[in-house]
Amino acid sequence: DAGITQSPRHKVTETGTPVTLRCHQTENHRYMYWYRQDPGHGLRLIHYSYGVKDTDKGEVSDGYSVSRSKTEDFLLTLESATSSQTSVYFCAISKTYLTGGGNTEAFFGQGTRLTVV
Amino acid sequence: QQQVKQSPQSLIVQKGGISIINCAYENTAFDYFPWYQQFPGKGPALLIAIRPDVSEKKEGRFTISFNKSAKQFSLHIMDSQPGDSATYFCAASIQGAQKLVFGQGTRLTINP
Repeated sequence: DAGITQSPRHKVTETGTPVTLRCHQTENHRYMYWYRQDPGHGLRLIHYSYGVKDTDKGEVSDGYSVSRSKTEDFLLTLESATSSQTSVYFCAISKTYLTGGGNTEAFFGQGTRLTVV
Repeated sequence: QQQVKQSPQSLIVQKGGISIINCAYENTAFDYFPWYQQFPGKGPALLIAIRPDVSEKKEGRFTISFNKSAKQFSLHIMDSQPGDSATYFCAASIQGAQKLVFGQGTRLTINP
């Protein structure tokens, strides 16, 4: 599982409240990602990080912010949660293999199920 | 804008049958096409991957077929088993870009 831990695993929150999800990795990977998974949409990239304090937006970044103050931790914040942000959130890291053509493989955490009521 | 389109959304196959999931992509710069398998309550995990310099890659009962001119690729699961029941995602990336674009996912059910 590439040493990825997400917390919390489940959360119910009220509309309008801020929520922070945490991703912790133990293997010192440079690249970290936050995805959301919704039926019919697959996995969509929210934000990603390519180093400490280096982050960039993905395809569905509106309403979300991220921070990475340490290599091992990548935080996703919903600034003011809305019902449309009810989803399963996955953190991932990527490894690039130097042999076999330099393929990049993503390793995912177990996910956080967030419900906004 | 969905750069990778996956079909069908759901698929039911009898045990021992062949499961086929299709994906189409738009960006001709993509040069790496992995498939991920996800069981309920778990994160996706890499199943098999292909590069466009080959038309087919086989690993056990799982085969990727790749058609570069049509910009399509597919996953075939031979002799499908109930343990193959999962959600499957195709994906695409550009080597070195460190970002994967995923398809919408296919929920596969293998009936015993």
